[in-house]
Amino acid sequence: EIVMTQSPATLSVSPGERVTLSCRASQSVSNNLAWYQQKPGQAPRLLIYGAFLRATGVPARVSGSGSGSNFTLTISRLQPEDFAVYYCQHFNEWPPLFTFGPGTKVEIK
Amino acid sequence: QVQLQESGPGLVRPSETLSLTCTVSGGSVSSGGYYWSWIRQHPGKGLEWIGHIHNSGNTYYNPSLKSRVRISVDTSKKQFSLNLISVTAADTAVYYCAREGSLEMATVSWGQGTLVIVSS
Repeated sequence: EIVMTQSPATLSVSPGERVTLSCRASQSVSNNLAWYQQKPGQAPRLLIYGAFLRATGVPARVSGSGSGSNFTLTISRLQPEDFAVYYCQHFNEWPPLFTFGPGTKVEIK
Repeated sequence: QVQLQESGPGLVRPSETLSLTCTVSGGSVSSGGYYWSWIRQHPGKGLEWIGHIHNSGNTYYNPSLKSRVRISVDTSKKQFSLNLISVTAADTAVYYCAREGSLEMATVSWGQGTLVIVSS
């Protein structure tokens, strides 16, 4: 069973700053890695899939990178609407199962 | 664009079965090679993937819940359902239905979520 970890658990940043969130898998997951944003009281929203592909409507300041077991979500020039919890998710090709990471909360400093 | 809406009881007694239905609009549950899934979120906690059903009818479940979960689809009603048996207070959560994109291999579309409380 692949275990996903995320760091840090909480990140305090000021608007306009650049943030880098980390997601690590207990073994290689190729590029089968997605990132989600969740705001209070809302369903999550897909940001990145395939480790680095932006979902429809996601601004260019949001980017994903990495492969194998180490992945990064970067948000440049943090906007007020970017303060939220971010989850990574691994898709296991066979059997086709999903696993979420525990999340990173990005809060206003 | 596909839209999903969860429905079902907001309160379930311990040891009973939690049953939720997701109604799909703007798309079909019987085509496209998608997976239709259930995901839950315990209060104040992270996301937990429960399982999904492919439009072929194949189902796959989180190993930690596999013995208690069943997901089914009713194509005539454009719905899919979750049954979770023998619930306890630990099953209290917001339950989301969702669609997983066949190309993205990610959860592309989400319902708004429904809170289910397990309590006597």
